Amino acid sequence: SQTIHQWPATLVQPVGSPLSLECTVEGTSNPNLYWYRQAAGRGLQLLFYSVGIGQISSEVPQNLSASRPQDRQFILSSKKLLLSDSGFYLCASTFRTSYEQYFGPGTRLTVT
Amino acid sequence: AQSVSQHNHHVILSEAASLELGCNYSYGGTVNLFWYVQYPGQHLQLLLKYFSGDPLVKGIKGFEAEFIKSKFSFNLRKPSVQWSDTAEYFCAVNANGGYNKLIFGAGTRLAVHP
Repeated sequence: SQTIHQWPATLVQPVGSPLSLECTVEGTSNPNLYWYRQAAGRGLQLLFYSVGIGQISSEVPQNLSASRPQDRQFILSSKKLLLSDSGFYLCASTFRTSYEQYFGPGTRLTVT
Repeated sequence: AQSVSQHNHHVILSEAASLELGCNYSYGGTVNLFWYVQYPGQHLQLLLKYFSGDPLVKGIKGFEAEFIKSKFSFNLRKPSVQWSDTAEYFCAVNANGGYNKLIFGAGTRLAVHP
């Protein structure tokens, strides 16, 4: 089965600072990878997905970007954080032929 | 655009009560349907799924869900809840051909009192 690691678990950053959240996947190769943001009462919002190295699709315009430098590594970044970037960020993975997504433990980001 | 609606944002039940959480989606084609659960302090995990076949699907921990195509619904049920079912429940939909992208509902927080 797949295991998804995310770090850091929690992060407090000032407005205007850069961001880098990392997600790595074990137990599968060539996965589809996803970044979600979870907001209270609003469910999970898909931010980015990737079907391969260097292939990133953005779902919503925002202050964030994503990169996939290796097959099982997915990075969420920002050059300058906004207060509105605060939230709980989840990384997910799925086999190419499966619709089931496996989720990581998440990163709680607070922008002050 | 596809969307998923969960009717109840907060549900409070006593142990042994029956549970039904509503989920409706807006997409006219073939869909794959999921219920995920997030227990306090734990990862989001899959509770059950529907791809095709018998519209009544059974998941872990005694949960089941029924797909009613004519109503665009996929309601989650459990005949008798336990305190350990306290969690947040998310309905999700994937429309075929969408790179396995899931559209999630807003979630329902269930609190079960002993």
